[in-house]
Amino acid sequence: NAGVMQNPRHLVRRRGQEARLRCSPMKGHSHVYWYRQLPEEGLKFMVYLQKENIIDESGMPKERFSAEFPKEGPSILRIQQVVRGDSAAYFCATAPGQYNEKLFFGSGTQLSVL
Amino acid sequence: DQQVKQNSPSLSVQEGRISILNCDYTNSMFDYFLWYKKYPAEGPTFLISISSIKDKNEDGRFTVFLNKSAKHLSLHIVPSQPGDSAVYFCAASLPPSHNAGNNRKLIWGLGTSLAVNP
Repeated sequence: NAGVMQNPRHLVRRRGQEARLRCSPMKGHSHVYWYRQLPEEGLKFMVYLQKENIIDESGMPKERFSAEFPKEGPSILRIQQVVRGDSAAYFCATAPGQYNEKLFFGSGTQLSVL
Repeated sequence: DQQVKQNSPSLSVQEGRISILNCDYTNSMFDYFLWYKKYPAEGPTFLISISSIKDKNEDGRFTVFLNKSAKHLSLHIVPSQPGDSAVYFCAASLPPSHNAGNNRKLIWGLGTSLAVNP
């Protein structure tokens, strides 16, 4: 996990607030995946991004969720108007290329919605 | 629609013995399989992988076996050590051409919690 930095580690929000989760890839990695792990479930793919481009967002909920990976700075997963069901662990994983099966994960952000 | 299934939520093994973790899948188009290990409050860490063109891959104490006809793979850890206690996830990947932008997104099982007792 060393090298992929996620912050914050823990995030508490009240219903209706916005949550911003950040992911800084490992050096040399320009491909970012976001996964969500709901309680008692496995990881679910959300979105795949390359620098400045969303490539595959087939796992993103249709509303309130968005992601970006700007030219400069970390990748951001943004959840607007959070609800209790958004409470989960959100993991970022990065890779040096699009064909790499082996992903490097951050330690995750645990989002709790009160 | 769980395409990757780990039917044993937990497994307890004595130190020094073999741990066998199982994984079944439904999609015959998967061409790459991986095992990740996860400790509490940490992200998953890559352990070992296998391509669908092989039936076995070994790395130290860890061996993964793939049975394509049965759509089944297993992870063997021998000898098991207390430090191996963690949640083990099986993940599978379709060929890049199946995914938008030719990416390698992974489809995960629910995990098996392994406890290795001293």
